[in-house]
Order: sequence, then structure tokens, then C-alpha cells
Amino acid sequence: GQQVMQIPQYQHVQEGEDFTTYCNSSTTLSNIQWYKQRPGGHPVFLIQLVKSGEVKKQKRLTFQFGEAKKNSSLHITATQTTDVGTYFCAGTAGYSTLTFGKGTMLLVSP
Amino acid sequence: KAGVTQTPRYLIKTRGQQVTLSCSPISGHRSVSWYQQTPGQGLQFLFEYFSETQRNKGNFPGRFSGRQFSNSRSEMNVSTLELGDSALYLCASSLFSGQPYEQYFGPGTRLTVT
Repeated sequence: GQQVMQIPQYQHVQEGEDFTTYCNSSTTLSNIQWYKQRPGGHPVFLIQLVKSGEVKKQKRLTFQFGEAKKNSSLHITATQTTDVGTYFCAGTAGYSTLTFGKGTMLLVSP
Repeated sequence: KAGVTQTPRYLIKTRGQQVTLSCSPISGHRSVSWYQQTPGQGLQFLFEYFSETQRNKGNFPGRFSGRQFSNSRSEMNVSTLELGDSALYLCASSLFSGQPYEQYFGPGTRLTVT
């Protein structure tokens, strides 16, 4: 079945450093979504990418969808303590259900 | 607009018992999906309901079942609980099914099986 791998599993950065998490799918995706889950909270939708090579920005967050629609990345510039949480990618292939990666846990030290 | 609500928030059950969890989607949302979240396995899809019909099912045993009512509220049931069923159960609602609309998650029900 469809698999979505996410790396790294965990990253600890100093406030102000950049952070990137990568998502790779075993199959070509129709689209990819990104979610953020704060400690003790529930996943919150961040963005959806649909087009090959698409790049979207939300303030300090940059999301990319690969040309082959099999990988994606989320880059945070100049992290802040409010960025702490686990970032999940989730992809759909055709009419399949949304498959989540296992997430990247981000810790930011002040 | 009120968010997705789940009840109860916390539950402790004994192995062999059964449990029913409830989810009320955002008003107007017709699709409800259920996920199991554990530290080792991450977020795993259980099933999706749309217009009272199960549209998709994940790879879970038949002990896990669900249903959706005409008002889009959904329940999931787990029978013959096992220790490994301890997890955070999240439901998520979206406007429609079939295409990947953004999902709005509820706060979850933390189930502990002893």
C-alpha cells in the first residue's frame, strides 16, 4: 500500500536557526497536506499542495511539492519557540485515503 | 463556528470491555474520519464516513467499527479491548469526501486499556 516516509523523526534547534522536514512517498501523489500538532494538542491543517513543483509560503514557512509529486518539504526560516510541535505530511494517491507520515518533532531552545 | 468536538476526552477501560467514542463534526461538514494515534505508529487511518455510509476503511481488525448518523455525528466502537488499543483516537471532519479536503481535527479521546 501507499507509504509516506518523513525525516528526520526529531530535530532540536536553537531559536533563530532554520529547520527543514522532508516527506517521501512510495507512489505518485495527487496532492500533499501539511499539519502541525502542538504538544498535547491535535493536528491543525497548515496547507495543501496540488501542482508539480508548487511552492507556497506562509510567513516564515515554505512548502514545496516535488516535480515528480513524490516528495515534499517544509522549511522554517529563523525558528521561534512558538514553532515547537510535530509536523506531519499527509498524501493522497488517486482516490486513496489520506496517508500520514510519522511526523517530525521540532524542539526549539531559546 | 464551533470546532470538532469529541466525547469523552479521557477513558480508562479494562481489557475485554468495549467502548464507544463520539464525534460531532463542524456544522455543515459531512465527512468524518477516525484516526488512531500512538507514539510508535503515528496517525493511522481507521475509517471514513460520508452521508451515513462508510467510504473507506483502514487496516484494522473487525473489532473496530463505526457509524454516522443523519446529522453527521459519528461514533466509533471498539469491542473486546486489548492493551494495544491504548491510544489517542482522533476524529476529523471535512466538507466532502472523495477528494482530499482539509481536515479539521477534534481534541481526541485518550483511551487507556488496563
